[in-house]
Amino acid sequence: AQSVTQLDSQVPVFEEAPVELRCNYSSSVSVYLFWYVQYPNQGLQLLLKYLSGSTLVESINGFEAEFNKSQTSFHLRKPSVHISDTAEYFCAAFMNRDDKIIFGKGTRLHILP
Amino acid sequence: DAGITQSPRHKVTETGTPVTLRCHQTENHRYMYWYRQDPGHGLRLIHYSYGVKDTDKGEVSDGYSVSRSKTEDFLLTLESATSSQTSVYFCAISSTGTGETGELFFGEGSRLTVL
Repeated sequence: AQSVTQLDSQVPVFEEAPVELRCNYSSSVSVYLFWYVQYPNQGLQLLLKYLSGSTLVESINGFEAEFNKSQTSFHLRKPSVHISDTAEYFCAAFMNRDDKIIFGKGTRLHILP
Repeated sequence: DAGITQSPRHKVTETGTPVTLRCHQTENHRYMYWYRQDPGHGLRLIHYSYGVKDTDKGEVSDGYSVSRSKTEDFLLTLESATSSQTSVYFCAISSTGTGETGELFFGEGSRLTVL
């Protein structure tokens, strides 16, 4: 079965420090990858996505993720976090053998003052 | 923002009562989904629809039914609510399916408490 694994359920980090949220997916011939963000008491919204082309994708608020096919990973990074980045982050994969997106269990990012 | 409205946003009910959650979209997207979100489980797909009157089960469909009589509305029904169905329910929509990007747009969620 296809799967998406987020290795950390919670990540505490000091404000202005760098952060990496890890995501691995089960291998597939073709895969689209997403990071969604959920701010407190809200629905999920797309942060960034990899469909094809450049393996490094960026969001408008400073996050970036790199598609690594050999390691089947799509880790999310930000060089300097802000208190407003406090949220839960979900990695997701759309694998062409199936009609449905598969979500990881989420990583809660805690920004410490 | 995608036009997705969920109702009710909050509901408290008792075990054994029927509950219907409604998802309404103004985007004319073909695909609609119901997820539940629980701590430690992330998002789990309950049911989805790929067109009017076309629905299929997700990974946690037991105890739930759905209906889609119009493109814009997707209803989730709990025939006899149980405490294990206490959760936050999210509706999502997508214009594409197999072989395309599969990007989802989510509603704000419906928090259901079953006492």
